[in-house]
Amino acid sequence: QKEVEQDPGPLSVPEGAIVSLNCTYSNSAFQYFMWYRQYSRKGPELLMYTYSSGNKEDGRFTAQVDKSSKYISLFIRDSQPSDSATYLCATRDTSGTYKYIFGTGTRLKVLA
Amino acid sequence: NAGVTQTPKFRILKIGQSMTLQCTQDMNHNYMYWYRQDPGMGLKLIYYSVGAGITDKGEVPNGYNVSRSTTEDFPLRLELAAPSQTSVYFCASSPPDRNTEAFFGQGTRLTVV
Repeated sequence: QKEVEQDPGPLSVPEGAIVSLNCTYSNSAFQYFMWYRQYSRKGPELLMYTYSSGNKEDGRFTAQVDKSSKYISLFIRDSQPSDSATYLCATRDTSGTYKYIFGTGTRLKVLA
Repeated sequence: NAGVTQTPKFRILKIGQSMTLQCTQDMNHNYMYWYRQDPGMGLKLIYYSVGAGITDKGEVPNGYNVSRSTTEDFPLRLELAAPSQTSVYFCASSPPDRNTEAFFGQGTRLTVV
């Protein structure tokens, strides 16, 4: 079982739609969860992070972690063509190696 | 702020050639990482380092070598390039605090023919 699994997409939505991106993880010890956004031919950039369970909101973006089900979600409201990118969920192994563990990424296209 | 800088941005290698991908960061981060990204496969960890003089293997280290002689630099060496090493390579760095993100470079796109 992969440590972090992500719906691969691709996902195409009309402008203004609500987008839901999802990941699951296997290790209940993981505490810190991140969403990276990667534009074509660029490096990943941190979009949001959450610690432990709960929601975090930043403008049109909401990150959610449900530790009981080991589920991570990113919601995008009023999606824009500029949101078209690959979104990667990630966590960090804090048991000693401090390695980052990434999902495979979901490619999102928002159609104008 | 330069952040994480990778060179070159693009390279074409012939099978059997060698090259070094350069990575430098100016944030005084202890941790540095090399990932490769293949279409639909996400980011796979090649090697990582927790500080100068200390390196360790990730998921896919075969065919690669690294060194970390300074805090700033973490070069990745490809010996005897193979077509399977065609990929986009990303270097990243992070501070030692456990609840912090990794900062990525812009990537090196490598083709082995």
